[in-house]
Amino acid sequence: GAVVSQHPSWVICKSGTSVKIECRSLDFQATTMFWYRQFPKQSLMLMATSNEGSKATYEQGVEKDKFLINHASLTLSTLTVTSAHPEDSSFYICSAILESPVSGRRSETQYFGPGTRLLVL
Amino acid sequence: RKEVEQDPGPFNVPEGATVAFNCTYSNSASQSFFWYRQDCRKEPKLLMSVYSSGNEDGRFTAQLNRASQYISLLIRDSKLSDSATYLCVVNLRNTGKLIFGQGTTLQVKP
Repeated sequence: GAVVSQHPSWVICKSGTSVKIECRSLDFQATTMFWYRQFPKQSLMLMATSNEGSKATYEQGVEKDKFLINHASLTLSTLTVTSAHPEDSSFYICSAILESPVSGRRSETQYFGPGTRLLVL
Repeated sequence: RKEVEQDPGPFNVPEGATVAFNCTYSNSASQSFFWYRQDCRKEPKLLMSVYSSGNEDGRFTAQLNRASQYISLLIRDSKLSDSATYLCVVNLRNTGKLIFGQGTTLQVKP
């Protein structure tokens, strides 16, 4: 099946640091990617929809200036957590929708990256 | 009220048991339905899609009742490797957004 990679898989940083997480679709193009966050013992919560070539769409309550999303190519979306604080410590997961390069038709299935575990000290 | 509700469990069952999970969703604009499986500290993986006609994949059977806005997953002959958290997921029409339930934890014991 389609593969999505994330980098880094984990990061530990000091409070106030900005952290960039990359999400790549391997061997397929994805004009739409999603960013989720999961706190311990809670469900995945959608943070934003990343659209190639345009601004991301943020869910209610998610600060766009804190969580910067850039989707500059058909295979790469990045999430930057700016000035991270301990409460931003979480499991960040991206997903991508497989899109046919010929027809542009999109699959209903979202393919998830392996996640990035962020710990802010 | 949560958009997708599940009993978090945990469900502790012996090997070979049959176990059923239920899920309800509140948004009638929900278009597609899925069960995902998530292992500890890993990303969710698609287990199966759910259709109104019901569908089966080996030991797993999923059912959707649109009128009641209710989804179920039945696991027969439980294996130790079935131990995981099972996430009920709905896809809102025309948005592509997935809404996840809290998940139901299953522990299969020898």
